Amino acid sequence: GAVVSQHPSWVICKSGTSVKIECRSLDFQATTMFWYRQFPKQSLMLMATSNEGSKATYEQGVEKDKFLINHASLTLSTLTVTSAHPEDSSFYICSAPGTVASTDTQYFGPGTRLTVL
Amino acid sequence: GQSLEQPSEVTAVEGAIVQINCTYQTSGFYGLSWYQQHDGGAPTFLSYNGLDGLEETGRFSSFLSRSDSYGYLLLQELQMKDSASYFCAVRGGGYQKVTFGTGTKLQVIP
Repeated sequence: GAVVSQHPSWVICKSGTSVKIECRSLDFQATTMFWYRQFPKQSLMLMATSNEGSKATYEQGVEKDKFLINHASLTLSTLTVTSAHPEDSSFYICSAPGTVASTDTQYFGPGTRLTVL
Repeated sequence: GQSLEQPSEVTAVEGAIVQINCTYQTSGFYGLSWYQQHDGGAPTFLSYNGLDGLEETGRFSSFLSRSDSYGYLLLQELQMKDSASYFCAVRGGGYQKVTFGTGTKLQVIP
């Protein structure tokens, strides 16, 4: 159980275009999901907290107008990178908290590798 | 804010034991977790400490000292497949918000 999927697994786009990444919890409901970005050989940096039915909470320094997050249902959160530029090329990963509070588990999607040309 | 420091790289021999340390500074603290990430993959959950002491899960153990803001991950009977990056993470500074450490790249050699 507790499977999180992401689509697409990789995407290549031209500079200036927008890219949408989907994150789905397949066998559980997630009122909260997290979006991370990871550059090569670096740690995961939290970008925003996605809340079902309300606005996302963005971390300091993350442009909310550039990284649009929508959490329209209890199993789906989307991240849209608008007007992508080469510096946005990165590994984007979503996660959802586990349902057992005592273990504090986060279940991660497989990630989406974005390359902007 | 939150900050977690780890050694950047560790090398150990197959079959040996290795300890990966994590020191943290947080505003609010709900527990320390450990994750494993192989190159190109997503992190996978290894262990969690909500209270002080040692938690054991098979070959992996994790320790927490809240008074010292310190924890470690202990890997025993190292195998080649354990070569990966290991991250500590804290939940705090906002309900369920998780911040990851700088990461430790473990290389297991024959």
